[in-house]
Amino acid sequence: AQKITQTQPGMFVQEKEAVTLDCTYDTSDQSYGLFWYKQPSSGEMIFLIYQGSYDEQNATEGRYSLNFQKARKSANLVISASQLGDSAMYFCAMREESNDYKLSFGAGTTVTVRA
Amino acid sequence: DTAVSQTPKYLVTQMGNDKSIKCEQNLGHDTMYWYKQDSKKFLKIMFSYNNKELIINETVPNRFSPKSPDKAHLNLHINSLELGDSAVYFCASNGGAGSRETQYFGPGTRLLVL
Repeated sequence: AQKITQTQPGMFVQEKEAVTLDCTYDTSDQSYGLFWYKQPSSGEMIFLIYQGSYDEQNATEGRYSLNFQKARKSANLVISASQLGDSAMYFCAMREESNDYKLSFGAGTTVTVRA
Repeated sequence: DTAVSQTPKYLVTQMGNDKSIKCEQNLGHDTMYWYKQDSKKFLKIMFSYNNKELIINETVPNRFSPKSPDKAHLNLHINSLELGDSAVYFCASNGGAGSRETQYFGPGTRLLVL
């Protein structure tokens, strides 16, 4: 079974607008970690933001915030005030003890920011 | 300054050859990984080492052999390269095994087998 589902293969967003990238996950662990990574066209994997399953507050890092809805098992990434440099592929990932803390990735969402 | 580095960045080779990819991290992390990203951008873990000891070995052909001379280095040797080995290979590291630990990735090695 797929552990991480990203249902949006591609999205377009206007510069300066906000965009939400969907991520749902599947785990029966109580303790797990959720991560978002950015992969620009240059190919590197850049860590953006982390949310722990026990964290009560939604994580924020600059223009990135994570909309964590534990009961729905969703961890959507919100990018505010989009910039041209945000055009990239975004991956949601999860670490869980029952999976030996391996990082399981979703299929990714490609974001294209339009001027 | 580079946290996780990989060499080479690009590797073009003929089918049947043997090649190695090197990875080094200067973050003081105990755990290192190799991932393969296929042409559809799907990322899958291949191996994990903790303090030079193999802890995860996914169903990877035994033509792939990781080697960790010390906890800061994890190299990947591939024997008898096949067309299907063409992919981007990422090295990553993190400080421990907990679910909170963030993995940091190297820049990737783009392997093309002709």
